[in-house]
Amino acid sequence: GESVGLHLPTLSVQEGDNSIINCAYSNSASDYFIWYKQESGKGPQFIIDIRSNMDKRQGQRVTVLLNKTVKHLSLQIAATQPGDSAVYFCADADKLIFGTGTRLQVFP
Amino acid sequence: DAGVTQSPTHLIKTRGQQVTLRCSPKSGHDTVSWYQQALGQGPQFIFQYYEEEERQRGNFPDRFSGHQFPNYSSELNVNALLLGDSALYLCASSLVRGAQETQYFGPGTRLLVL
Repeated sequence: GESVGLHLPTLSVQEGDNSIINCAYSNSASDYFIWYKQESGKGPQFIIDIRSNMDKRQGQRVTVLLNKTVKHLSLQIAATQPGDSAVYFCADADKLIFGTGTRLQVFP
Repeated sequence: DAGVTQSPTHLIKTRGQQVTLRCSPKSGHDTVSWYQQALGQGPQFIFQYYEEEERQRGNFPDRFSGHQFPNYSSELNVNALLLGDSALYLCASSLVRGAQETQYFGPGTRLLVL
């Protein structure tokens, strides 16, 4: 069946470094993807989205890259801060399928 | 601008009981989706309501049912609760506009079935 998966369950980075969280999807017809951040005890929070007619989209300290050829997307967080510690999900927003999440841990 | 709200925040039930969870969408949104999130997992899509009708449904049994009211708020009902129904239940709202429907999530209702 269709799936969305993240490559690493946990990512540990030092404060100030850049973080890269990767995600693969299986449906080549998928058109719209969203990255969410979920802090402990809270619902997922929208970070950034991208449509299939784009390769890259930038927000504040975050960049999403989409490679349709290999069905891969990534979330880059610049100058990672302790407040970035959370679980990050990529989602196929058309099919309403979420990945299993990557826990980002930021240490001083 | 009020975001998505859910009630109750926590709930404890026993096997075989029935539960109703409630959701009010973000102001201006007309579509509500429900998700089940087991511990350590990503949210799994249950169903989506638009114009008071079930628009899409995920792979969940008929024990899971829902409703959307004229004011766009929604309820999720689960009958004959099983231990495996213990999870965080998330509501997300969106606006059907063009081909892009960005979903915004509420804080969730944590259900524990004993």
